[in-house]
Amino acid sequence: SQTIHQWPATLVQPVGSPLSLECTVEGTSNPNLYWYRQAAGRGLQLLFYSVGIGQISSEVPQNLSASRPQDRQFILSSKKLLLSDSGFYLCAWSTAQDAIHQAKFSNSPLHFGNGTRLTVT
Amino acid sequence: TQLLEQSPQFLSIQEGENLTVYCNSSSVFSSLQWYRQEPGEGPVLLVTVVTGGEVKKLKRLTFQFGDARKDSSLHITAAQPGDTGLYLCAGAGGSYIPTFGRGTSLIVHP
Repeated sequence: SQTIHQWPATLVQPVGSPLSLECTVEGTSNPNLYWYRQAAGRGLQLLFYSVGIGQISSEVPQNLSASRPQDRQFILSSKKLLLSDSGFYLCAWSTAQDAIHQAKFSNSPLHFGNGTRLTVT
Repeated sequence: TQLLEQSPQFLSIQEGENLTVYCNSSSVFSSLQWYRQEPGEGPVLLVTVVTGGEVKKLKRLTFQFGDARKDSSLHITAAQPGDTGLYLCAGAGGSYIPTFGRGTSLIVHP
């Protein structure tokens, strides 16, 4: 069965410090990977998505970046955190469409990790 | 940008009551998913609806996809405290990248 691991679960960082959140998926190959941010227990804002190794698409220009060094590893980073970066960060994966149609994602559901609660002080 | 509006934003009811939450958009979606999220955890998929007019049942939960595939509803019969959580709808459109609504926060009091 497929599993998704996200860590750390909670993080308190000072303004200006770097950030690295890691997400790994097991039990599936070539997944679509996503980073979302959720503010105050409300809706999810898509930050980045990836259809393959080294392929990152950014949805919202901001202080964050993402990388996918391996097929099932997705990393969210920042060089200098801002107060506004505080929030609940969620990693998710979904089954990709076949390789020929990489421009389209499948209708398959998202499978989320348990999130990282980031507080920037 | 495809937007999904969920209503109501907050719902506080007593155990045993029925409730309906709505997910509306002016855009057509190829599919729509409902998730439930508990505090401190990631959302968990409840159901995916694909066909206009489709109705799916999951125990006391009934999901309906609008005929035009622009809206959906979730009806809970005889709500229980275990139903408490944030209910999120997510639609997949032309790019198939899911767009989430802001959620309905449900509290069921024993």
